[in-house]
Amino acid sequence: KAGVTQTPRYLIKTRGQQVTLSCSPISGHRSVSWYQQTPGQGLQFLFEYFSETQRNKGNFPGRFSGRQFSNSRSEMNVSTLELGDSALYLCASSLLSGGHEQYFGPGTRLTVT
Amino acid sequence: AQSVTQPDIHITVSEGASLELRCNYSYGATPYLFWYVQSPGQGLQLLLKYFSGDTLVQGIKGFEAEFKRSQSSFNLRKPSVHWSDAAEYFCAVFPPTGGGNKLTFGTGTQLKVEL
Repeated sequence: KAGVTQTPRYLIKTRGQQVTLSCSPISGHRSVSWYQQTPGQGLQFLFEYFSETQRNKGNFPGRFSGRQFSNSRSEMNVSTLELGDSALYLCASSLLSGGHEQYFGPGTRLTVT
Repeated sequence: AQSVTQPDIHITVSEGASLELRCNYSYGATPYLFWYVQSPGQGLQLLLKYFSGDTLVQGIKGFEAEFKRSQSSFNLRKPSVHWSDAAEYFCAVFPPTGGGNKLTFGTGTQLKVEL
């Protein structure tokens, strides 16, 4: 069974631009969560989508948003990029929401210049 | 406040030596507990998990972890480390009730293996 895939793997953007990252979960998994990883803040939860609904949201500004499609694929969007948004963005899929182990993709490395 | 702590930022062991990585949590009830490993430039790979039951859990790559309720700990162990185990290890917790799939991670322990 194929794992979690994320596209693109690397991205360079300029301050003020917006970016969209994509995540395809493991087949049959219905929950997709997003995490941001930075050297200073570590791994932080962004949000979770389950059955096309946002289930949970971390402590991030409204510039960070996401959505999930009927095939469980998910996208996250960051508008008005700031230098501090440079990070590894990780997507994790889970069979269901609530207490199930999560499987992570390789991440998208976003660099904001 | 609910939190998870990994006291050791860096650990260096010799190949073939045993390994123990520490993890402590602070939650009102026993959370679900996980260990993940991350190689440079890669995502996170799930090593093992504890939900309930037997307090000694076996994972992949020869790792095991022991849950100790009295110490609020979930330490990761391996009897004999291989050079390929060099990576960063994260302990993560998930609250047992509600909250969707929000994992809270420790700050990680960077493992270096000396040949």
